[in-house]
Amino acid sequence: DARVTQTPRHKVTEMGQEVTMRCQPILGHNTVFWYRQTMMQGLELLAYFRNRAPLDDSGMPKDRFSAEMPDATLATLKIQPSEPRDSAVYFCASGGWVGSAFFGQGTRLTVV
Amino acid sequence: TQLLEQSPQFLSIQEGENLTVYCNSSSVFSSLQWYRQEPGEGPVLLVTVVTGGEVKKLKRLTFQFGDARKDSSLHITAAQPGDTGLYLCAGAAYNQGGKLIFGQGTELSVKP
Repeated sequence: DARVTQTPRHKVTEMGQEVTMRCQPILGHNTVFWYRQTMMQGLELLAYFRNRAPLDDSGMPKDRFSAEMPDATLATLKIQPSEPRDSAVYFCASGGWVGSAFFGQGTRLTVV
Repeated sequence: TQLLEQSPQFLSIQEGENLTVYCNSSSVFSSLQWYRQEPGEGPVLLVTVVTGGEVKKLKRLTFQFGDARKDSSLHITAAQPGDTGLYLCAGAAYNQGGKLIFGQGTELSVKP
């Protein structure tokens, strides 16, 4: 059963600490998205990749967020330093063709 | 900036009633998708529509893509408590490299 795997599922950290979230996309999918979901803003696109190359990261605060795909089986989203306003659920999704996205279960981040 | 507006934001109905959720934009999309999200989980893809005027049916759910490819609707017939969840529309534009943006969602509650 192919699925997107995200780790960790939950993360509580102190303000100022580095946070790394990992995503294993579905094998064969060439597009990877990172979204952040909050009650106020809904699902916001942070960044996305095609064939491991970043296509758009305009949704990310550049000074503290970074997204990479070191290989086809791993995508990472890092926040350094983290702030309380970063508390949200972060979703990774992968797709095999333009217009489809299959989501992981998300990482619930709490920054205190 | 492409925006997708969903209405209504909240909907509470009795089992057996029919309902329609709308997704509107001033932008043209190459494809539009509908997702359903349950608490603690990632959104799950229900359907993708790609042709203006296209209608797709999934059991009691009917999805329609507007002729101009700027809007879509989701109609549920004889709603059941199991239909409860957050319904999200998302649009993709090929001229933006497959960037997938989401509406704010419609929170549906179906009471037995």
